[in-house]
Formats: sequence, structure tokens, C-alpha cells
Amino acid sequence: EAQVTQNPRYLITVTGKKLTVTCSQNMNHEYMSWYRQDPGLGLRQIYYSMNVEVTDKGDVPEGYKVSRKEKRNFPLILESPSPNQTSLYFCASRLTPWGNQPQHFGDGTRLSIL
Amino acid sequence: SQELEQSPQSLIVQEGKNLTINCTSSKTLYGLYWYKQKYGEGLIFLMMLQKGGEEKSHEKITAKLDEKKQQSSLHITASQPSHAGIYLCGAALHGGSQGNLIFGKGTKLSVKP
Repeated sequence: EAQVTQNPRYLITVTGKKLTVTCSQNMNHEYMSWYRQDPGLGLRQIYYSMNVEVTDKGDVPEGYKVSRKEKRNFPLILESPSPNQTSLYFCASRLTPWGNQPQHFGDGTRLSIL
Repeated sequence: SQELEQSPQSLIVQEGKNLTINCTSSKTLYGLYWYKQKYGEGLIFLMMLQKGGEEKSHEKITAKLDEKKQQSSLHITASQPSHAGIYLCGAALHGGSQGNLIFGKGTKLSVKP
């Protein structure tokens, strides 16, 4: 089944403790992206990747890192999490960065930073 | 500033009633996407519109992109409790890279049985 898989789905942790949210897609998509969703602010893009080893900042990249060493994986790294990064995170992918295809979203990761 | 405005922010309708959700931009939309989200869950792709005047339907949901490609509407006919959720529109504002979408804040739909 074609899908975008995020792990973990839920995480409660403390300020400053490094964490990684994994994202994997099995559709051979070139483009991948991370969003965070907050009440009243909607979905905002954190980072995106056009292809392997090509990543770029979205609208709210501060406090986050990403890597794209393989086509299928696009982990989101919080080196020193802070409470303002408590949010619902989504990974998404699409076939190519160009043209008209929909983005496919993972089920989300709910992160709570205490 | 929010470049995609959705209205209304929330909507409560009686089962069986029709409803419309709007998504408006001050800029030309190069690809308009409608998604549905159950609370706290992932986004499910509904429809994509690309051309001015284009209209698509899936079951009881119809979406249209206006001729100027600055507004889209999502219409649900004879609403059912299964239609409840948050509807989001997403769009590419630049003709170059359509991978980077921006999203409206969503419209929360409740359907009363």
C-alpha cells in the first residue's frame, strides 16, 4: 500500500532532549516536506526536499534540522526541543517538485515538549 | 499575512443540508488542492483543480476553481455525519515550483444527525 509513515505518532519529552521524528515513503517520490499544524495558524512548512541531498528551508525552519540521504526517508530532527515546538507535525511527499500532483500526508506526530 | 483565506472558519449543518466552503487568494493559484482532516489525524486528498473554470466531483463533493484562478469553492450536497471534519485548501502561488504549497487555516464542519 502506498503510504507515508511517520514515527512516533505521539511523544512527550522534556526541554533540551534531542529527538528525531522519522518519515518514510514507499512511492519513490522525489519531493518530501515537513509541516507543523497549530491552532489558529494552520499548516506551516518547516523544511522541504526536492531530491536526495537537496533540502531547503520552509517558512518556519528555526529549531529544526532535516536530512535526505536516501530517497525514501526524510527525518526531522529537533536538536534542543523547546515548549514552543509542541505541535502536530506532518510529513508529506509528492512524485516530483514540479507539475500537478497532490501531496500525500502521513498520519501525523503529536509532540509535547515540557 | 495569510495568503489563502478560507470561509467560514466553522460550520454546523443539519444532516441532509447542502453547504459551501470557500478558499480565496489575492494572487493567481497554480494548482488548488482540497484536503479533509479528521481531528488530530492526517490529511486525505480530495481533489485537485488546475484550470480556470474547472469543476470536479467525487461522490457528493464538488469543487470548482473560478475563471480568474483566485477562488475555489467546495460544495457538499446532502451532507452526512461522515462529512464532518476539517477541510483545508492548499495551493501553489508560484508557477515555477508547485511542490511548495501554502494552506488555508481550515474550515471545521460539524454535521448534526
